[in-house]
Amino acid sequence: SYVLTQPPSVSVAPGQPARIACGGNKIADKSVHWYQQKPGQAPVLVVYDDKDRPSGIPERFSGSNSGNTATLTINRVEVGDEADYYCQVWDYTNDYVFGSGTKVTVL
Amino acid sequence: QVQLVQSGAEVKKPGASVKVSCKASGNTFTRQYMHWVRQAPGQGLEWMGKINPSDGDIRYAQRFQGRVTMTRDTSTSTVYMELTSLRSEDTAVYYCARVLRGLYFDSWGQGTLVTVSS
Repeated sequence: SYVLTQPPSVSVAPGQPARIACGGNKIADKSVHWYQQKPGQAPVLVVYDDKDRPSGIPERFSGSNSGNTATLTINRVEVGDEADYYCQVWDYTNDYVFGSGTKVTVL
Repeated sequence: QVQLVQSGAEVKKPGASVKVSCKASGNTFTRQYMHWVRQAPGQGLEWMGKINPSDGDIRYAQRFQGRVTMTRDTSTSTVYMELTSLRSEDTAVYYCARVLRGLYFDSWGQGTLVTVSS
């Protein structure tokens, strides 16, 4: 099975960048998508196809994907960015795979 | 995007079944597969399966094979997910969601909490 590994938590001061890693075997060969989930709410797509943003998502959110690691970067972090973040890929044999999630805390 | 509205919370006893509905707005109901994803309390997201509202084509995640059934009603733009032989580990929020280009989830329902408890 295809496994996506994320750090459980990331802490960042307001105004600083937050980087969330998503590790997977040859993940660069796949398209990686990222979701933000706030408590009690459904997930929201923030980055798709490694680096593209849906309409309405601030430019502060960006993504990259290389080798065995994809990364979601949130620039100039705000208190409102506190949430859980999940990476996700589609895999031919495992269908839709999610990472374990990373809790972003704004100090 | 499409708006997805799900049915309300359910409380079930172990061994029972639950059926959750998801109604889509707009005229794109038959154009994209509808998926079901669940999230146990404090846990991550888990894909359960998908259904093509147009022709009823279905694919279930292996771990739910034999316990889950997904159906659709094109007259009301509604998809359903039924899970049988419920156990406490099935306590979770169940989401319906639409996938674009077969790759990523761009629209989500509000979620339905299913609690399994004796």
